[in-house]
Amino acid sequence: DQQVKQNSPSLSVQEGRISILNCDYTNSMFDYFLWYKKYPAEGPTFLISISSIKDKNEDGRFTVFLNKSAKHLSLHIVPSQPGDSAVYFCAASTGNEKLTFGTGTRLTIIP
Amino acid sequence: KAGVTQTPRYLIKTRGQQVTLSCSPISGHRSVSWYQQTPGQGLQFLFEYFSETQRNKGNFPGRFSGRQFSNSRSEMNVSTLELGDSALYLCASSLEGQGAKNYGYTFGSGTRLTVV
Repeated sequence: DQQVKQNSPSLSVQEGRISILNCDYTNSMFDYFLWYKKYPAEGPTFLISISSIKDKNEDGRFTVFLNKSAKHLSLHIVPSQPGDSAVYFCAASTGNEKLTFGTGTRLTIIP
Repeated sequence: KAGVTQTPRYLIKTRGQQVTLSCSPISGHRSVSWYQQTPGQGLQFLFEYFSETQRNKGNFPGRFSGRQFSNSRSEMNVSTLELGDSALYLCASSLEGQGAKNYGYTFGSGTRLTVV
C-alpha cells in the first residue's frame, strides 16, 4: 500500500525555467511533509518541509505547496540550475520519527 | 561537525548468510533510523532507536533487527539473507522529535549490500 506516490519517475526541464515536482498521499493522518534530494552514491539531503497547518513554505529557490483537500503537494524550483539534477523524494510523517517516502522523481536540468 | 557515518560502504554476501551494518550518528543526536532503498520501492522504513530502545518499527520480517548502544551508535543485522535483500541501507539521525519535522533527518551515504 503506497501511501505516498510520486507518479512521474522522471522530469526534464531547461535551465532557468521552473521545475515542478508532484506528490500525492492517501493517509489523512500525515501532518508533516518533507522533500529530500539525492545524488548517486550519497544519502538523501533534506531540502524543505511543511506542516499540515500551512499551505506554502518558501526557502530561497524552493517552495513547497500543500493542498490538503486534494492530498497533494508540490515542490517548485525557480530558477532551475544544473546542480539541481538529482532524484527528489517526497516524504510524510504522522508526527513520530517514521517517514513514509515516495518512489522518487529523477529531475534532469538541460543546459 | 562530522556527519552520519555508515560502514562498510559496500558488502557482498551469499544467500543464507547474515550481515551486520554499522551507523554512527551525528554527535548529540540520540535518534537513529534505518531505511532500505530498492529500485522502484523508494525508501522503506525499517526501525528507529532512541536511547537504546526501539521506538518505531516498519513492516519487515523478523530477520531484520537492530540495536543501539549507549553512545547512540547503532547496528542493524539481517539474518538468513535472501536475494531480495540486495539494497542500499541508509541510516539517519536526528535530535529527539525533530527528524520528521523542521529540518528532517541527516542521512549517511549508505551501505550497498549485494546478496548473491
